[in-house]
Amino acid sequence: LAKTTQPISMDSYEGQEVNITCSHNNIATNDYITWYQQFPSQGPRFIIQGYKTKVTNEVASLFIPADRKSSTLSLPRVSLSDTAVYYCLVGEVNDMRFGAGTRLTVKP
Amino acid sequence: NAGVTQTPKFQVLKTGQSMTLQCAQDMNHEYMSWYRQDPGMGLRLIHYSVGAGITDQGEVPNGYNVSRSTTEDFPLRLLSAAPSQTSVYFCASSYSLSVAGSGYTFGSGTRLTVV
Repeated sequence: LAKTTQPISMDSYEGQEVNITCSHNNIATNDYITWYQQFPSQGPRFIIQGYKTKVTNEVASLFIPADRKSSTLSLPRVSLSDTAVYYCLVGEVNDMRFGAGTRLTVKP
Repeated sequence: NAGVTQTPKFQVLKTGQSMTLQCAQDMNHEYMSWYRQDPGMGLRLIHYSVGAGITDQGEVPNGYNVSRSTTEDFPLRLLSAAPSQTSVYFCASSYSLSVAGSGYTFGSGTRLTVV
């Protein structure tokens, strides 16, 4: 299973764009990259998933370089409600493993 | 409402007691799994199922049993509760193993305390 490394914590301010990078040097050919958001006392919530290049949905973008050894979750114009823990997962769809995540704090 | 339903939300057990955490989903998802989350840590996979009648172990299966008799239900059994099993337990489901894009849908969790 590919191990992921992401920053333990990040701070930002309302209205800024936030980029969280995840390293996964030993990603396998069949592995997808998935990001989840978790608020206190709640289950994780799916944000976005990709295999290569760029994926965008209504809440975020996911940038994956050609070598796929890293990925960057981009949150445009964050608000206070985006304060949460963000997890980067790498693996096959049926075997995703969570790391410690990145605790994002958005300040006014 | 469609989604993953976990019961109970809170439970206190004495060491050595057994219990079953319930998980049900109404989205006709093939894949279901159980995770535990300890304070300040990420989730760890306990068991998972790729369809009715099929289960397999995850990272931390010891002390837990599962079964999948229907597509909708995936109960987690604690055989003999220990303080080390104090945690928040999350159930998750996913539409398909081969179709990416939607990820897992998680339940709201069961907070278990073993004294």
